[in-house]
Amino acid sequence: DAGVIQSPRHEVTEMGQEVTLRCKPISGHNSLFWYRQTMMRGLELLIYFNNNVPIDDSGMPEDRFSAKMPNASFSTLKIQPSEPRDSAVYFCASSRTGGGYQPQHFGDGTRLSIL
Amino acid sequence: QKEVEQNSGPLSVPEGAIASLNCTYSDRGSQSFFWYRQYSGKSPELIMSIYSNGDKEDGRFTAQLNKASQYVSLLIRDSQPSDSATYLCAVLLSEKLTFGTGTRLTIIP
Repeated sequence: DAGVIQSPRHEVTEMGQEVTLRCKPISGHNSLFWYRQTMMRGLELLIYFNNNVPIDDSGMPEDRFSAKMPNASFSTLKIQPSEPRDSAVYFCASSRTGGGYQPQHFGDGTRLSIL
Repeated sequence: QKEVEQNSGPLSVPEGAIASLNCTYSDRGSQSFFWYRQYSGKSPELIMSIYSNGDKEDGRFTAQLNKASQYVSLLIRDSQPSDSATYLCAVLLSEKLTFGTGTRLTIIP
């Protein structure tokens, strides 16, 4: 089975530009999670969706960040405008919903560098 | 107090020995507990899950859970150089995973 697929794998862009990260969850998984990982703060949950609906976006750092899930097989995380402090690895993960017993499976991540 | 705490290490263990990784969590309502392994530059990979008190064994790995003490541990027997990685403890509450900052493990040949 295909795992969680993220694109691009690497992104380098200048401050102020719009950045869009993409994620395709595992087929049949109805929960999707966006994380950010930095050396200083570790792995932080930004937002998660159940059945394409955003459930908790309390981890989104500020209004420059937005996420959408238009259908069960696709989600985007957008940063506009980007800033150097947004540089990090962004992971998407998916799981089946239910009972609190379903592990999350991670994509390979997008390494984002804002110059 | 952090929600999930781990000793950041680094932890160095000789090859063939037992590596012991520890994790404590603050919310007694936590439902499920996971250990992820992350190699440098790679994504977290699930290696163990545990849901009830006691031990759970899978090959060379044993997870231990004590809900009364709010404590989770991971034992790696017969440590191999390929076990060198950062190990992340994760606690699930209301479908949200909270991760510890990870313990960096180095197996010395």
